[in-house]
Amino acid sequence: AQSVTQLDSHVSVSEGTPVLLRCNYSSSYSPSLFWYVQHPNKGLQLLLKYTSAATLVKGINGFEAEFKKSETSFHLTKPSAHMSDAAEYFCVVSEGGRRALTFGSGTRLQVQP
Amino acid sequence: NAGVTQTPKFQVLKTGQSMTLQCAQDMNHNSMYWYRQDPGMGLRLIYYSASEGTTDKGEVPNGYNVSRLNKREFSLRLESAAPSQTSVYFCASKPEPGQSYEQYFGPGTRLTVT
Repeated sequence: AQSVTQLDSHVSVSEGTPVLLRCNYSSSYSPSLFWYVQHPNKGLQLLLKYTSAATLVKGINGFEAEFKKSETSFHLTKPSAHMSDAAEYFCVVSEGGRRALTFGSGTRLQVQP
Repeated sequence: NAGVTQTPKFQVLKTGQSMTLQCAQDMNHNSMYWYRQDPGMGLRLIYYSASEGTTDKGEVPNGYNVSRLNKREFSLRLESAAPSQTSVYFCASKPEPGQSYEQYFGPGTRLTVT
């Protein structure tokens, strides 16, 4: 069975400083991994995905994530936070087949001016 | 190209009332999903439809029914609403069931049951 643990429920950074949102996964197979972002009262938008190609994945808005199989991690990073990055971020795993995604519980990112 | 649309955006129900949440996608996707989002719990799968004519239960199906009306539309019905069903409901679609495809989400329906 697959599962996802987001290690921080809240992260607060200052504008212009790096962002690190941590995610660990558990999967019996070679999973696909995703990061989604949800701005307040909005739907979910895909930031980036890993599907067994390059382990360093670049996404939209300057975000990237590195798939580390030995550590079962897929942490999301950004070199310099912007006020518009304030949102909730979900790490998601998919083992495929007919079933859907398994979501982490989310990390709320605050960006201080 | 509107993507995934959901109606209504907001709804208040009394306990025991019924309602149907509508979802439509115009991307010609085969697979569609219904999730609920509760604070601190991420999104949990209610039902999904891998292709037109098929539906399957997800993680939290009790109290819900679904209909895959055609390839575009996938509705979620609450037959007798309960306060525990107060939540934000998201519909999603993806081209195929395979794991490498991302899902595309609608804007959500915020439901309150009193």
